[in-house]
Amino acid sequence: DQQVKQNSPSLSVQEGRISILNCDYTNSMFDYFLWYKKYPAEGPTFLISISSIKDKNEDGRFTVFLNKSAKHLSLHIVPSQPGDSAVYFCAASPLKTSYDKVIFGPGTSLSVIP
Amino acid sequence: NAGVTQTPKFQVLKTGQSMTLQCAQDMNHEYMSWYRQDPGMGLRLIHYSVGAGITDQGEVPNGYNVSRSTTEDFPLRLLSAAPSQTSVYFCASSFLLTTGELFFGEGSRLTVL
Repeated sequence: DQQVKQNSPSLSVQEGRISILNCDYTNSMFDYFLWYKKYPAEGPTFLISISSIKDKNEDGRFTVFLNKSAKHLSLHIVPSQPGDSAVYFCAASPLKTSYDKVIFGPGTSLSVIP
Repeated sequence: NAGVTQTPKFQVLKTGQSMTLQCAQDMNHEYMSWYRQDPGMGLRLIHYSVGAGITDQGEVPNGYNVSRSTTEDFPLRLLSAAPSQTSVYFCASSFLLTTGELFFGEGSRLTVL
């Protein structure tokens, strides 16, 4: 049973519009959440994170929202650009530095259409 | 700045063969780990290390061995390859007490026939 779920395997968005990637988790012990971005033939790279004491964290065009009561987080990309086309992994951990306890979701493949 | 370097990038093995995936990082990270990525499964932790001489098992350790003799290197050994080990393998590292994010290598695609 997956503890971190990304129910949309793929998403297509027009350039300039908003991309919303969703992630649900089941373990209430998770306290730190991250998004990683992965291009083909490359390793994942860290994008943005959020601690459970916050409900929003913003970095440029990327914003992550956390709803702890619903065990749900989302990544918003505004405006979407073709270079954002990649696989996005949601990840959750009980602590910021509990690297061995990080659980990754299966990923969502985002295509931004020019 | 090399970061995390994995070799080889591609490998084809026959069932029962052994091989070692190499991982080296030049960021002086204490924490190093190996993941495998399979379709629909996300990244799953195989083994990890919090420093030279210290290793531990992750979620899917069976069929794999690791050792950490230096801070920089963390090789992953497949002792007797099986088709179920066909996957993409990623090495990742980080500082133990800060950062919170993992730095990944480019991956090694392994096919076991």
